[in-house]
Amino acid sequence: DADVTQTPRNRITKTGKRIMLECSQTKGHDRMYWYRQDPGLGLRLIYYSFDVKDINKGEISDGYSVSRQAQAKFSLSLESAIPNQTALYFCATSGAGTGSRETQYFGPGTRLLVL
Amino acid sequence: QQQVKQSPQSLIVQKGGISIINCAYENTAFDYFPWYQQFPGKGPALLIAIRPDVSEKKEGRFTISFNKSAKQFSLHIMDSQPGDSATYFCAAASGGYQKVTFGTGTKLQVIP
Repeated sequence: DADVTQTPRNRITKTGKRIMLECSQTKGHDRMYWYRQDPGLGLRLIYYSFDVKDINKGEISDGYSVSRQAQAKFSLSLESAIPNQTALYFCATSGAGTGSRETQYFGPGTRLLVL
Repeated sequence: QQQVKQSPQSLIVQKGGISIINCAYENTAFDYFPWYQQFPGKGPALLIAIRPDVSEKKEGRFTISFNKSAKQFSLHIMDSQPGDSATYFCAAASGGYQKVTFGTGTKLQVIP
């Protein structure tokens, strides 16, 4: 987990507020991801980025935006938070492809509560 | 659309017993099947993974069994220990982690 850090770890906000979740990594990976985890639903992909100039929508991107400030930094923004965005958010990194040499590493998560 | 179905949702096993978690998938294009272990307050961490060209992979007490024709795979934890108590996610991927689909998770509790 220390290779992928997320701030803040916990956040309470009100409906309509704009908030930003930040992710930094020291793995040297080009690929970064944002997921949300909801009880009974597993992890779902919000956005992913293959490099600084590449941003792609995932399965559930509506209501979210991202910024890849540098190879090591990938931020997730909720432009106008709503209660159903209450969830646990994870950042992850990986190299290209899949397999034992390209494991996906997750951060410790940010627990977000939207009132 | 749930492309990876995981069961059971929760599991209680006696220390020393065998924990078995099952997953089924629909998309035959999946070519990588990882299992993740998640402790409370932590992110998921890769536990073990398999590709469809083998039917079984074992790492220590953890074994993945894979049945390509049935489109099913399972995680077996032998000699389960209280320290194995965690949530386990199966997943399936095709062509990279941007196409990973996760199961819904199984909360395992190993009691002394």
